[in-house]
Amino acid sequence: DGGITQSPKYLFRKEGQNVTLSCEQNLNHDAMYWYRQDPGQGLRLIYYSQIVNDFQKGDIAEGYSVSREKKESFPLTVTSAQKNPTAFYLCASMAGRWNEQFFGPGTRLTVL
Amino acid sequence: SQKIEQNSEALNIQEGKTATLTCNYTNYSPAYLQWYRQDPGRGPVFLLLIRENEKEKRKERLKVTFDTTLKQSLFHITASQPADSATYLCALLGATGTASKLTFGTGTRLQVTL
Repeated sequence: DGGITQSPKYLFRKEGQNVTLSCEQNLNHDAMYWYRQDPGQGLRLIYYSQIVNDFQKGDIAEGYSVSREKKESFPLTVTSAQKNPTAFYLCASMAGRWNEQFFGPGTRLTVL
Repeated sequence: SQKIEQNSEALNIQEGKTATLTCNYTNYSPAYLQWYRQDPGRGPVFLLLIRENEKEKRKERLKVTFDTTLKQSLFHITASQPADSATYLCALLGATGTASKLTFGTGTRLQVTL
């Protein structure tokens, strides 16, 4: 059963701690994405990767880092430098430029 | 600057009526436009894609139009049902460059009542 998984669904962290959000896909897609969604707002692109071992900053990359060591995996680290990390984080993958994006179920991060 | 605008106010309609949602954009030359449905606390789900050279696309009760002169897409749900209640997002892929990068609107919440 193909799809994208994100874990955990809910995550609580203390201010000043780094936290890593997991994203795995078995769709064999080359491109993967991380978005942030705040209440009443659309999706804002944090980072994206079009191929293994390569990634680019999106519109709001400050305070975040990623890696793409395997095609299936694209973890996102929210660092202590991110000023307002509490949000709903969505991971997506895409087969190619003319295709749709498939989204994971999301991780809701709350920083206390 | 580039901007994608969707009506931020919720759209309330009666079951059986046609819902029409609007997506306007400025300073884009999109290669295509996509529509997604998002339920609360869940990831968006793809609905339809329409290319810049297409005027209209249909899928079951859904219809999308794309007017590159007006820089607008309309998304229609005919014979709406309470199960259609959700937030609907439009997204654009720019025509220039090679990056497969979408830009999303803020979404419009649709509420279908009995």
